[in-house]
Amino acid sequence: DVLMTQSPSSLSASVGERVTITCRASHVIANYLAWYQQKPGKSPELLITAASTLQSGVPSRFSGSGSGTQFTLTITGLQPGDAATYYCQKYNSAPYTFGPGTKLEI
Amino acid sequence: QVQLVQSAAEVKKPGASVKVSCQTSGYAFTNYYIHWVRQAPGQGLEWMGIVNPDGGSTNYAQRFSGRVTITRDTSTGTVYMELSSLSSEDTAVYFCARDRHLGAGSFDYWGQGTLVTVSS
Repeated sequence: DVLMTQSPSSLSASVGERVTITCRASHVIANYLAWYQQKPGKSPELLITAASTLQSGVPSRFSGSGSGTQFTLTITGLQPGDAATYYCQKYNSAPYTFGPGTKLEI
Repeated sequence: QVQLVQSAAEVKKPGASVKVSCQTSGYAFTNYYIHWVRQAPGQGLEWMGIVNPDGGSTNYAQRFSGRVTITRDTSTGTVYMELSSLSSEDTAVYFCARDRHLGAGSFDYWGQGTLVTVSS
């Protein structure tokens, strides 16, 4: 099975700053990579699909890149509401493994 | 609008089974696969399994194989996840989520989650 890793596991940044989260797959997954945002007590929300396609309604401050085994999620102009845990996920086939998550504090 | 509404929280004793429902609406039920994902307290997301509502075929994560059963009722647009032989390690919030593209898509809509507590 493909193993998904994320770094860092947590980070703290200030309003207006830019942050980057990295996700790595143990095997090539082309661009079958999604990013989710989860706030405490809430269901995850899809931010980015196909590694770089922004889901409808997601602010353009969020962007994704990468292909193959290495991917990044970048958030620019951080807002207080961006405080959450961010998960990457491979979805080309079962098992649809999630990364361990990155907790972002603002 | 697309909605996935899950059943209420459950408390179960070790060794029992639990069946969680996911009532869908706002789209053509048989056109989109449904996944189940769980999240233990303070932990990450763990994929459990998937069902194709058009025909009912399933695929389960290996660690749950033999303990989990996902079914669907096309007449009501509802998907069910049953987990048996519960232990305290199964205490978690269970989510259903819709697959955007026939089992090869990201999860675009999620249920609100159902807390299952396993305690003697």
